[in-house]
Amino acid sequence: DPKIIQKPKYLVAVTGSEKILICEQYLGHNAMYWYRQSAKKPLEFMFSYSYQKLMDNQTASSRFQPQSSKKNHLDLQITALKPDDSATYFCASSQDLGGNTEVFFGKGTRLTVV
Amino acid sequence: GDSVTQTEGPVTVSESESLIINCTYSATSIAYPNLFWYVRYPGEGLQLLLKVITAGQKGSSRGFEATYNKETTSFHLQKASVQESDSAVYYCALGESQGGRALIFGTGTTVSVSP
Repeated sequence: DPKIIQKPKYLVAVTGSEKILICEQYLGHNAMYWYRQSAKKPLEFMFSYSYQKLMDNQTASSRFQPQSSKKNHLDLQITALKPDDSATYFCASSQDLGGNTEVFFGKGTRLTVV
Repeated sequence: GDSVTQTEGPVTVSESESLIINCTYSATSIAYPNLFWYVRYPGEGLQLLLKVITAGQKGSSRGFEATYNKETTSFHLQKASVQESDSAVYYCALGESQGGRALIFGTGTTVSVSP
């Protein structure tokens, strides 16, 4: 059974619209993350949360807003969508924050902005 | 800055052949880097393949090996004889032993193993 659930799996959106990417983890982890990967680019870190608090934000744009309604939820709201936002968005979690603990990933949401 | 560079794919190999995926890192703001290989099989999320936290040490898993070389800042992934089930995307990643920063990944290398 998948321990990190991302919804939807595929998403097509119109330029200028707003979408929410859903992520829930059932691993009992304290830290959650969002990563993004566009074609030919590294898997890019976006946000990290620990105990529902934002710890690090590496996105340049305020159009990307994480939302944590529960400890095991970290949704990603994207407003005013642009074609350049087209990418696969991966949610991840780890027991605690940091670069020493194993990180577990969801299967990703592939977003296409037309 | 801190970054990871790895072999550009796609890489195609035949079953039972050897495979090497190069990975070099830059850790200008990380005092004690930890190095990882993650793998993403078709239809799955990324999962940890192996991890090495001490320079000079080797990690191994599922027939894959990688040695943490601090002198050359490299962490190449190797397997002597691949199988079709090794077809996947492989990601090299860099983390820090202390502090709360998330992992830094490379672009990923797509490997296709033909029967």
